[in-house]
Amino acid sequence: ELKVEQNPLFLSMQEGKNYTIYCNYSTTSDRLYWYRQDPGKSLESLFVLLSNGAVKQEGRLMASLDTKARLSTLHITAAVHDLSATYFCAVNSGGSNYKLTFGKGTLLTVNP
Amino acid sequence: DGGITQSPKYLFRKEGQNVTLSCEQNLNHDAMYWYRQDPGQGLRLIYYSQIVNDFQKGDIAEGYSVSREKKESFPLTVTSAQKNPTAFYLCASRRTGGEQYFGPGTRLTVT
Repeated sequence: ELKVEQNPLFLSMQEGKNYTIYCNYSTTSDRLYWYRQDPGKSLESLFVLLSNGAVKQEGRLMASLDTKARLSTLHITAAVHDLSATYFCAVNSGGSNYKLTFGKGTLLTVNP
Repeated sequence: DGGITQSPKYLFRKEGQNVTLSCEQNLNHDAMYWYRQDPGQGLRLIYYSQIVNDFQKGDIAEGYSVSREKKESFPLTVTSAQKNPTAFYLCASRRTGGEQYFGPGTRLTVT
């Protein structure tokens, strides 16, 4: 059974600082996703990572994937208040069915 | 506008009643999914369907049922057999080879 672990689960940081969220998964998978969720809202897709060494960047967020270590990171650069949200990683656990197994999420709070 | 709609946004029911949550998409996606989210938790897969008239159980299917009579629609019924039905329910759809896109969700409260 595929397990996905995120850490930290809670992250409080100051504006302007950098930090990294980690996502470990237990078995081989062909793709990993990062999503953002605002309180009471649905999930917004941020990144899809398909291959070892993949790196994607959008604004102040950068995601990377190391399939050998079964590890993905979401790096936040110079955080701003608007980045406050819960971030989830999800791993394809169903082959061509694309069933997703989610981590528990990281609640990020960016303080002025 | 193309997208996924879920209705209603909020739903209240008494214990022991079955309730059906609606999910419709006009993206022409083949696959559709139902997830449940509990406070402070990630999403867990309830059921999924790759094509019309076919669906499979996910990780937590007990107490739920689905149908897929049309490509656009994938309703979820929460039955009285579901022990803890209060949760946030999210529907998603996916085109072949693509990523999942999520609807706005339905928050179900059972008292």
